[in-house]
Amino acid sequence: GAVVSQHPSRVICKSGTSVKIECRSLDFQATTMFWYRQFPKQSLMLMATSNEGSKATYEQGVEKDKFLINHASLTLSTLTVTSAHPEDSSFYICSARVGLAGGPSAGELFFGEGSRLTVL
Amino acid sequence: AQSVTQPDIHITVSEGASLELRCNYSYGATPYLFWYVQSPGQGLQLLLKYFSGDTLVQGIKGFEAEFKRSQSSFNLRKPSVHWSDAAEYFCAVGHNTDKLIFGTGTRLQVFP
Repeated sequence: GAVVSQHPSRVICKSGTSVKIECRSLDFQATTMFWYRQFPKQSLMLMATSNEGSKATYEQGVEKDKFLINHASLTLSTLTVTSAHPEDSSFYICSARVGLAGGPSAGELFFGEGSRLTVL
Repeated sequence: AQSVTQPDIHITVSEGASLELRCNYSYGATPYLFWYVQSPGQGLQLLLKYFSGDTLVQGIKGFEAEFKRSQSSFNLRKPSVHWSDAAEYFCAVGHNTDKLIFGTGTRLQVFP
């Protein structure tokens, strides 16, 4: 199947710094990517929907100035956690949706491996 | 409210035994239902999905799931579990693949 790669897989940072997480679709074009947050023993919570070339759509309760999302190309979306604090420590997962011209997998979601953020 | 419930946090089975993972949902419209599997260090992988038609859905790796509208359930089954099936399993509901709502997951442990 299609491959989605996240980088870094783990990151530790000091409180107050900003961290960028990349999500790349390696072998297909993704006009839409999604960012999720997963707390221990809880489900994935959708944070935002990222559309190539336009502003991201954030879910209720997610601070758009805190979690900056950029989807500058059809294969890359980035999530920047600005001025990170310990409560931002979590597992962040992205997914990418195959475009309608993507053959048998059109419309299907493929997930990255996740990025574990620890803020000290 | 829209939600997905996976009642079993952790299940342990012997290799070769049958498996059923439960999933119940609450959704206002006709649901699109999914089962994903997550192995350590890997992303979620789609096992199967139900959009319409036959309520018994076949997926990859020998898994199947049955949609029961009257019970708001979409339980995942496998007749004979392999050690490589040990992983975290997530049920999800949504409208197509937009705004998927995930359950809390069921961790499957397989003993030889």
